[in-house]
Amino acid sequence: SQQGEEDPQALSIQEGENATMNCSYKTSINNLQWYRQNSGRGLVHLILIRSNEREKHSGRLRVTLDTSKKSSSLLITASRAADTASYFCATDGDGDYKLSFGAGTTVTVRA
Amino acid sequence: DGGITQSPKYLFRKEGQNVTLSCEQNLNHDAMYWYRQDPGQGLRLIYYSQIVNDFQKGDIAEGYSVSREKKESFPLTVTSAQKNPTAFYLCASSISGRVRDYGYTFGSGTRLTVV
Repeated sequence: SQQGEEDPQALSIQEGENATMNCSYKTSINNLQWYRQNSGRGLVHLILIRSNEREKHSGRLRVTLDTSKKSSSLLITASRAADTASYFCATDGDGDYKLSFGAGTTVTVRA
Repeated sequence: DGGITQSPKYLFRKEGQNVTLSCEQNLNHDAMYWYRQDPGQGLRLIYYSQIVNDFQKGDIAEGYSVSREKKESFPLTVTSAQKNPTAFYLCASSISGRVRDYGYTFGSGTRLTVV
């Protein structure tokens, strides 16, 4: 079952600008994770935020979580061409042993 | 270096054929997973295994089969019963029962095309 839904589906920005994408989910979660996928490759784990956290930073990434609204956002600051990829949120509300993924946000960073 | 290896990278299947996708990991992870990804869509879970000789169906198991005879290996067979197999297939692994805390490590995928 697909728990998370990302918004927007696609985003095009200039190098140096910030990129923000959102994830909404349906059922209660313990943690929420964000992954990146470069074209034609596997997904790479970026960051995990726990349900008792509201914000988390990792390098140029900032993640927020609002459990009352069942939503999360991922902000990439000072974007670079190498940030061009699809970004997925993954939730654990469907059981302890697996994650559910949304359809992703495709980010294109123009030089 | 530890990681997950999927092979082949590209695979072509004729109508009515069974094909097997390989997934091997040396991360010492107990849990392994197969996901299918279609263009513009998210990942859909096919099968997963928490331990050797045991596996569970995911959301779209029809037309697929798996085995887990070794901890390191979790091959996926796409059978002729799968009517629309053209997709990108991703294998992943995790520490068993802790996916919510540690997440997945993914392989680089196999692109399967029906010809």
